[in-house]
Amino acid sequence: GQQLNQSPQSMFIQEGEDVSMNCTSSSIFNTWLWYKQDPGEGPVLLIALYKAGELTSNGRLTAQFGITRKDSFLNISASIPSDVGIYFCAGQERVSGTYKYIFGTGTRLKVLA
Amino acid sequence: SAVISQKPSRDICQRGTSLTIQCQVDSQVTMMFWYRQQPGQSLTLIATANQGSEATYESGFVIDKFPISRPNLTFSTLTVSNMSPEDSSIYLCSVRGEGSGYNEQFFGPGTRLTVL
Repeated sequence: GQQLNQSPQSMFIQEGEDVSMNCTSSSIFNTWLWYKQDPGEGPVLLIALYKAGELTSNGRLTAQFGITRKDSFLNISASIPSDVGIYFCAGQERVSGTYKYIFGTGTRLKVLA
Repeated sequence: SAVISQKPSRDICQRGTSLTIQCQVDSQVTMMFWYRQQPGQSLTLIATANQGSEATYESGFVIDKFPISRPNLTFSTLTVSNMSPEDSSIYLCSVRGEGSGYNEQFFGPGTRLTVL
């Protein structure tokens, strides 16, 4: 099925550094979600975005809904070791009258203490 | 957000057998989904579990291979039939929020399946 492109695919950063990742699509979406998945766990919803240009924060996390509605960005400030995991974006599309989420390819984050 | 539990959390199965995965939600939800996450990959929607009617399958997934039940608004099962090693994946139950949270989607802890 269709997937969204996430960048970077993986990244190693030092503890305390800021992290930026993005998600791009060829389609326009009305809603963007960002998730974090720890090993052996299901994805946990971090942030939901509903309007183009919207900027929303959740603690050290800030996400933006791109003004073209084809992209979204997630920033993590002052990273800590527990930020390790895989981050997924998801865009909502309407297909045959129903709304479904398409998931990104994921960004694997590793934090070096 | 809804609390979602899945059983079993993991299993190792023999080729040719079937496994039924259960998903229980702590509140009534309208929309429930089943996803597959192959090793190191993203999430792929298998089907939408419809209460009281047949599930709606995505392209590439068929009812004979992945029969789904949804007897009520808090419970669903996914069966992986006639398994092969290619079915080794994490299977995830997911639900939409209700009311103003309708656009939010939440996931269970997943069932990690290994087929030998």
